[in-house]
Amino acid sequence: AQSVTQLDSHVSVSEGTPVLLRCNYSSSYSPSLFWYVQHPNKGLQLLLKYTSAATLVKGINGFEAEFKKSETSFHLTKPSAHMSDAAEYFCVVSDLSATGGFKTIFGAGTRLFVKA
Amino acid sequence: GAVVSQHPSWVICKSGTSVKIECRSLDFQATTMFWYRQFPKQSLMLMATSNEGSKATYEQGVEKDKFLINHASLTLSTLTVTSAHPEDSSFYICSETGRGTDTQYFGPGTRLTVL
Repeated sequence: AQSVTQLDSHVSVSEGTPVLLRCNYSSSYSPSLFWYVQHPNKGLQLLLKYTSAATLVKGINGFEAEFKKSETSFHLTKPSAHMSDAAEYFCVVSDLSATGGFKTIFGAGTRLFVKA
Repeated sequence: GAVVSQHPSWVICKSGTSVKIECRSLDFQATTMFWYRQFPKQSLMLMATSNEGSKATYEQGVEKDKFLINHASLTLSTLTVTSAHPEDSSFYICSETGRGTDTQYFGPGTRLTVL
């Protein structure tokens, strides 16, 4: 069965310091993994997607994530936080369902706070 | 990525009325559309999945007679909240995928407030 665990409900960093948002998953097959960002009262924007082509995935706005199968992790990182990065981040896993379509599971989200 | 629009972006209605929310794919043929609701400080909860030309598949616990979904074309899906009550107040978000892909592109959301 699929599951997604975002290990921190909120993370607070200072502007200019690194960001680490943690995500662990479980999946029966070879999943696709995503990170989305949601600013207040907005929809979700795709940051990046892993599909087994490369374990280190680069996304938009300087974010990247590394797929580690042995640790079943897909942590999101950014070298230097910007004030505009303050938002809610969702880790998402998508896998084949029993009916042949895709089954998508959302993590609970991590709120990122960026201090000046 | 694909561009998805939602209309309206916010709506306030009286209890007992019905509200229709539109989700449009502007540059993409959306073979599958998803409808989510999101309560404050919570993750997204999938309500239903709809494929173009087919009846929507509702998640357990979601009343299909209350939340009517129509996916009449590859670019338009609608969610109608019938006989809305204050507990239906929420943020409703649609998303779409194309054929053979599992990447979802999200609309900007609709804030529904039922008085």
